[in-house]
Amino acid sequence: ETGVTQSPTHLIKTRGQQVTLRCSSQSGHNTVSWYQQALGQGPQFIFQYYREEENGRGNFPPRFSGLQFPNYSSELNVNALELDDSALYLCASSVPDGQETQYFGPGTRLLVL
Amino acid sequence: GENVEQHPSTLSVQEGDSAVIKCTYSDSASNYFPWYKQELGKGPQLIIDIRSNVGEKKDQRIAVTLNKTAKHFSLHITETQPEDSAVYFCAASLNAGNMLTFGGGTRLMVKP
Repeated sequence: ETGVTQSPTHLIKTRGQQVTLRCSSQSGHNTVSWYQQALGQGPQFIFQYYREEENGRGNFPPRFSGLQFPNYSSELNVNALELDDSALYLCASSVPDGQETQYFGPGTRLLVL
Repeated sequence: GENVEQHPSTLSVQEGDSAVIKCTYSDSASNYFPWYKQELGKGPQLIIDIRSNVGEKKDQRIAVTLNKTAKHFSLHITETQPEDSAVYFCAASLNAGNMLTFGGGTRLMVKP
């Protein structure tokens, strides 16, 4: 068990809609990263939050945005959904213990029709 | 930016045999190289990692080797068991807490 939970587990949306995905990690895990994993591919880095501020961003458009809250939970928001946004969305959290190993949650599978 | 290539994409072995998965990376500044195992319907699970100040690390049946000069690292699984069947991903990053760049994955099938 990684102590990282995500909700919902599955979600179906239509093109143009907006979606919010949620992640909750253990106390003390003040760094959270979000990844997109298309079917049959490795995860791709979307962005990272540290102490509620964005701390790095991958090659994703601004319609992908996020928030991190003081209770170590986090949100990924995607506006104007496109068919290619269909994927498994993973969050990973780490603790600043010198090792900073990233532990992944089970993911949210998003299908855009 | 960093680019990680992983081979083979599929690997089938008999139970008890060894399995080797290889990765190459492009950014010589990368210092952290984790390996993740992903089972169907689950998120990636860290199985072993290595930092650039060591060349090899072992944990029971699993070992990872790193060659920084050649910019490649490998995962070795000995005495494979059916429960080792999964998709394995290598990754590279500047440091453990930074963005991970993943390889394309290897589907390992262990036949009983």
